[in-house]
Amino acid sequence: ETGVTQSPTHLIKTRGQQVTLRCSSQSGHNTVSWYQQALGQGPQFIFQYYREEENGRGNFPPRFSGLQFPNYSSELNVNALELDDSALYLCASIESGTNPSEQYFGPGTRLTVT
Amino acid sequence: GESVGLHLPTLSVQEGDNSIINCAYSNSASDYFIWYKQESGKGPQFIIDIRSNMDKRQGQRVTVLLNKTVKHLSLQIAATQPGDSAVYFCAESRNYKLSFGAGTTVTVRA
Repeated sequence: ETGVTQSPTHLIKTRGQQVTLRCSSQSGHNTVSWYQQALGQGPQFIFQYYREEENGRGNFPPRFSGLQFPNYSSELNVNALELDDSALYLCASIESGTNPSEQYFGPGTRLTVT
Repeated sequence: GESVGLHLPTLSVQEGDNSIINCAYSNSASDYFIWYKQESGKGPQFIIDIRSNMDKRQGQRVTVLLNKTVKHLSLQIAATQPGDSAVYFCAESRNYKLSFGAGTTVTVRA
């Protein structure tokens, strides 16, 4: 396994609500990225954090925000949920000083918005 | 803009045969081109990558080929096994950001 864990595994929310998803990566992995994977599609980059600062963002609105903590854990927060936010949310960590292509993905959180 | 896509959404392979999965890309500025494997209920798993200045790289049972002239990437899996059944994504990497294509579902027939 990758050593990256995510919680919760599944989550059901109502449109307009807010949600917080959590990720825990390995010691020494100080870069974490979050991806959204819609059913039948490839993951789409949301944003990346390095040493607790946002370090790049994909084409997602500001209601998608994140935090990274010194203990190699991170959060993805989504406000004002929309039906189209239903997806698998993946976090991926990168070990410091290694190949940036080799990212360690967690199993994901399946979010359903009704 | 960035665009990574796969030629075929599905591929059925006889166990023991070689598999070839293809991908076309449009962004020539990427640093690396990568293959990931995603099994049901799991996150993507890194298989192999190739730097943009290379044309071939071999790993254990896998080979990645990069043709920059036609912007084409392929993954060859030798002696395909039942455990190779999964969705395979090509991706490009630039500044630690991965851009994925839609994926090819590989099914291995016994």
